[in-house]
Amino acid sequence: DAGVTQSPTHLIKTRGQQVTLRCSPKSGHDTVSWYQQALGQGPQFIFQYYEEEERQRGNFPDRFSGHQFPNYSSELNVNALLLGDSALYLCASILYFGDPFSSYNEQFFGPGTRLTVL
Amino acid sequence: KNEVEQSPQNLTAQEGEFITINCSYSVGISALHWLQQHPGGGIVSLFMLSSGKKKHGRLIATINIQEKHSSLHITASHPRDSAVYICAVPPNAQGAQKLVFGQGTRLTINP
Repeated sequence: DAGVTQSPTHLIKTRGQQVTLRCSPKSGHDTVSWYQQALGQGPQFIFQYYEEEERQRGNFPDRFSGHQFPNYSSELNVNALLLGDSALYLCASILYFGDPFSSYNEQFFGPGTRLTVL
Repeated sequence: KNEVEQSPQNLTAQEGEFITINCSYSVGISALHWLQQHPGGGIVSLFMLSSGKKKHGRLIATINIQEKHSSLHITASHPRDSAVYICAVPPNAQGAQKLVFGQGTRLTINP
């Protein structure tokens, strides 16, 4: 049983370009969250996808968009890249126990994609 | 005041020492996550707990919901335990669409 996988592991882009990052959740998990972690900082929530819809969004501009596919995998798209978008992008695979979106849940994180914008 | 506060921010110890990392939070929650992140690497979930204590190998996590405090203990610490340890909570007791992370505790275990 594969854990959470992300691709690519590293990516170098230039300002203004667009990037797509991918995440495959752990088997049996139907919810995916995306986080951005700048160097030396804690992860910041970008958004969460469940049933192919964005359920909640953090304080990120519309340049950040996502998608979830029927197999629960997810993509994070960033348009018009800025230098400040350089970060480790983490995907969390989630299984909620009991009530939907309860605090009692199982979360597994992927290895991350390190994006460098030059 | 940050919603999640960890202490200490940095901790250096010798191999074999007993390690304690603390986490205090200001929001009402029903569960808390302890995570481990190695340099340049992704995050590994260690524990999710809502009450009492959980143990996995040399790791022990405790939580006191009333006092809004949790601790992560490492017994017989080893250099491979060197990492950043992060506690994270959903910002409110209902609706856990996101986690709010503490600033992390950087642990270094010297041989």
